[in-house]
Amino acid sequence: QPVLTQPPSSSASPGESARLTCTLPSDINVGSYKIFWYQQKPGSPPRYLLHYYSDSDKGQGSGVPSRFSGSKDASANTAILLISGLQSEDEADYYCMFWPSNVVFGGGTKLTVL
Amino acid sequence: EVQLLESGGGLVQPGGSLRVSCAASGFTFSNYAMTWVRQAPGKGLEWVSAISDSGGNTYYADSVKGRFTISRDNSKNTLYLQMNSLRADDTAVYYCAKFNTALVVVAAFDHWGQGTLVTVSS
Repeated sequence: QPVLTQPPSSSASPGESARLTCTLPSDINVGSYKIFWYQQKPGSPPRYLLHYYSDSDKGQGSGVPSRFSGSKDASANTAILLISGLQSEDEADYYCMFWPSNVVFGGGTKLTVL
Repeated sequence: EVQLLESGGGLVQPGGSLRVSCAASGFTFSNYAMTWVRQAPGKGLEWVSAISDSGGNTYYADSVKGRFTISRDNSKNTLYLQMNSLRADDTAVYYCAKFNTALVVVAAFDHWGQGTLVTVSS
């Protein structure tokens, strides 16, 4: 079972940008997979944010602000969720997901808005 | 408005069985694949199972294969997860979620229920 590696925690101040990473195993090329991102606030179910494969193949969840965006860093074999103009309401856990054969979730990153 | 309402969770002894349900409304249930995802207390998300729109294709995580069975009744707009031979490490909140596609393909889980807690303990 492949593992998606996410830093356990991250923090940034309101108005700044937060860059959350999701690293794939070295034997799996991030460029070959669509990566999905979910947000989960305490006591609530996950919420679909967006997916990213390439700049021409990406999608945003319904009602998700455009300040949430996805990208990839091929050199680091990593998918990235960028949250610009951070707001206090963005404080949550963020999970990446992909489908090598079955669905795999990353361990999640707890984002604190200072 | 899409709504997914799970029910049927509770306390069950190790080795026991439980069936959880997910009642769907606000969309044409029979047109979409569905999935179950669980979350152990204080832990991350773990995909459990998925089923195509017609119910003809089902998929399972290795951790539950042979013990859990996913099914759906499109006439009742309801998704099910039958869980047998339950173990302590099956303790989790079980969420149902809707695909944004009919088939179980690489796609988003675009709506989620509130979840139902299953506790496996003696």
